[in-house]
Amino acid sequence: GNSVTQMEGPVTLSEEAFLTINCTYTATGYPSLFWYVQYPGEGLQLLLKATKADDKGSNKGFEATYRKETTSFHLEKGSVQVSDSAVYFCALLGGTSYGKLTFGQGTILTVHP
Amino acid sequence: GAGVSQSPSNKVTEKGKDVELRCDPISGHTALYWYRQRLGQGLEFLIYFQGNSAPDKSGLPSDRFSAERTGESVSTLTIQRTQQEDSAVYLCASSPSGGATYEQYFGPGTRLTVT
Repeated sequence: GNSVTQMEGPVTLSEEAFLTINCTYTATGYPSLFWYVQYPGEGLQLLLKATKADDKGSNKGFEATYRKETTSFHLEKGSVQVSDSAVYFCALLGGTSYGKLTFGQGTILTVHP
Repeated sequence: GAGVSQSPSNKVTEKGKDVELRCDPISGHTALYWYRQRLGQGLEFLIYFQGNSAPDKSGLPSDRFSAERTGESVSTLTIQRTQQEDSAVYLCASSPSGGATYEQYFGPGTRLTVT
């Protein structure tokens, strides 16, 4: 079946630091890959996505590239802000689990001024 | 337009009682999903409805859990004889259709606490 393994957290950074949150996946076929974000007290929302190999998803300064050869979809941001503090979830859709999102365990990011 | 809505936002119940959680998807979305998020964990898939097809119930953790959907609108998740391990945030999502290319839009969730 499908699975997503996400970098252990929590991650604590100073403002303007570089962020990487690692995500690797296991799936058959050609899944779509997503990063979701959950800000404190808010619901889950899509941050970015990529639907095929070598696609780069980007939004709000965050980027992730769908790497089929390494089965990875690492999230990066060049300069984090305090407002980026949230829980980040890597997820995949498709493969053997048509229609169901498979999530990683989530990474808590805290950014200090 | 309106997003996915869920009610109640919070529910506290005693162990052994039954609870019903409601989800109103985005109008026109044929696919509807229920997930569960236990404290400190990722989201677990519970059940998936797509149009008039038989639902995919493969994620339901026990026969105490059931869900229904009326056409392509409201869905209700029912948990019978609640246990403390059922305490979690229950999230509903909808998408224009099922499949790997459609984004799922999440509701704010229902926080269930079983005492």
